[in-house]
Amino acid sequence: AQSVAQPEDQVNVAEGNPLTVKCTYSVSGNPYLFWYVQYPNRGLQFLLKYITGDNLVKGSYGFEAEFNKSQTSFHLKKPSALVSDSALYFCAGLSGGSYIPTFGRGTSLIVHP
Amino acid sequence: NAGVTQTPKFQVLKTGQSMTLQCAQDMNHEYMSWYRQDPGMGLRLIHYSVGAGITDQGEVPNGYNVSRSTTEDFPLRLLSAAPSQTSVYFCASSLDRVGERETQYFGPGTRLLVL
Repeated sequence: AQSVAQPEDQVNVAEGNPLTVKCTYSVSGNPYLFWYVQYPNRGLQFLLKYITGDNLVKGSYGFEAEFNKSQTSFHLKKPSALVSDSALYFCAGLSGGSYIPTFGRGTSLIVHP
Repeated sequence: NAGVTQTPKFQVLKTGQSMTLQCAQDMNHEYMSWYRQDPGMGLRLIHYSVGAGITDQGEVPNGYNVSRSTTEDFPLRLLSAAPSQTSVYFCASSLDRVGERETQYFGPGTRLLVL
């Protein structure tokens, strides 16, 4: 079984400040975890993934995510937010026995100038 | 490569009408899937396929049919449209099972309104 939760519908941050978008997972076995971004009227674009190894994963556009096994979390982070980062962000997870990832409900990130 | 393409981009249907949403990929991907996106619900899996001739149900399959006669195409059929099927539909594909080497590629979406 696999499920992913994004507890925040919306995150607001000022440009230049660090941002965090939260994700927790419930995935049996060793999880595969992903972050995607969706800009208005577009499909989802892959940002980064955790498979195994280092708990800090670096991805596209300066984003990174921290895998925490004890807290079953995979939070998305960026040291300095840009207005252009404003978008809908999806966390996804996959267990060892599944074919297709399960997605969270999405978090709208709004970066204010 | 065109990647994953979806047609139409937007469609309005009346309750009870049927239609087919088209999805095609030119990357020779074995795995294809259909999701619907609804506000506050995220992406929910409708059907998926792990290769030509093989399909399976996802989380919300009722009211939808799929077939996979070729590697390239994975159409989604609405048998008798209902207002509850108003949504944005995304098709996705990957070369192999999503994991260490593979990620999903998404199409631009089809926005469906059922009156």
